[in-house]
Amino acid sequence: GQQVMQIPQYQHVQEGEDFTTYCNSSTTLSNIQWYKQRPGGHPVFLIQLVKSGEVKKQKRLTFQFGEAKKNSSLHITATQTTDVGTYFCAGRGLWSSASKIIFGSGTRLSIRP
Amino acid sequence: NAGVTQTPKFQVLKTGQSMTLQCAQDMNHEYMSWYRQDPGMGLRLIHYSVGAGITDQGEVPNGYNVSRSTTEDFPLRLLSAAPSQTSVYFCASSRTSGAVGNEQFFGPGTRLTVL
Repeated sequence: GQQVMQIPQYQHVQEGEDFTTYCNSSTTLSNIQWYKQRPGGHPVFLIQLVKSGEVKKQKRLTFQFGEAKKNSSLHITATQTTDVGTYFCAGRGLWSSASKIIFGSGTRLSIRP
Repeated sequence: NAGVTQTPKFQVLKTGQSMTLQCAQDMNHEYMSWYRQDPGMGLRLIHYSVGAGITDQGEVPNGYNVSRSTTEDFPLRLLSAAPSQTSVYFCASSRTSGAVGNEQFFGPGTRLTVL
């Protein structure tokens, strides 16, 4: 079945450093979404990428969707303490049930002030 | 709008007991889903529904039942609780299950402990 893997599992950075998390799917995706979960909270939608090679930016966050639509990345420039949390990618398979959304295992970001 | 609501927030069960986790949304969303979250495992899809009367299995459906008799409600039933079902359960909904309008809104979660 469809699997979505995320690396790294944990990342601890100094405030102001950059951060990147990578997402890889075992199958081609129709689209990919990114969510952020603050400690003790619930996941909150950040963005969706649909097109091959698509790049989207939200202030200090840059999201990319791979050319083969099997991988994606989230890059945060100059991290701030408000970026603390776990970042999840979620993929919808192209050939499997279009309604089944599979989440990656997440990358937990912690920041040293 | 209250968004997605879940009850209870916390629950402790004994092995073998059954219970229902409630989920409701007031956004007239077509798509609803249940996830469980365990440390290091991310969010795993249990069951999902693309509309009233339609449900399907996710990645980890064993031990759980769902039904969708109305657009608003999507309860999750644990048939005979086991310690392996100790987890945080999230319900989510989205306007559609298609390519547009499918960002999911999550409820606050239910923390379940099975002794």
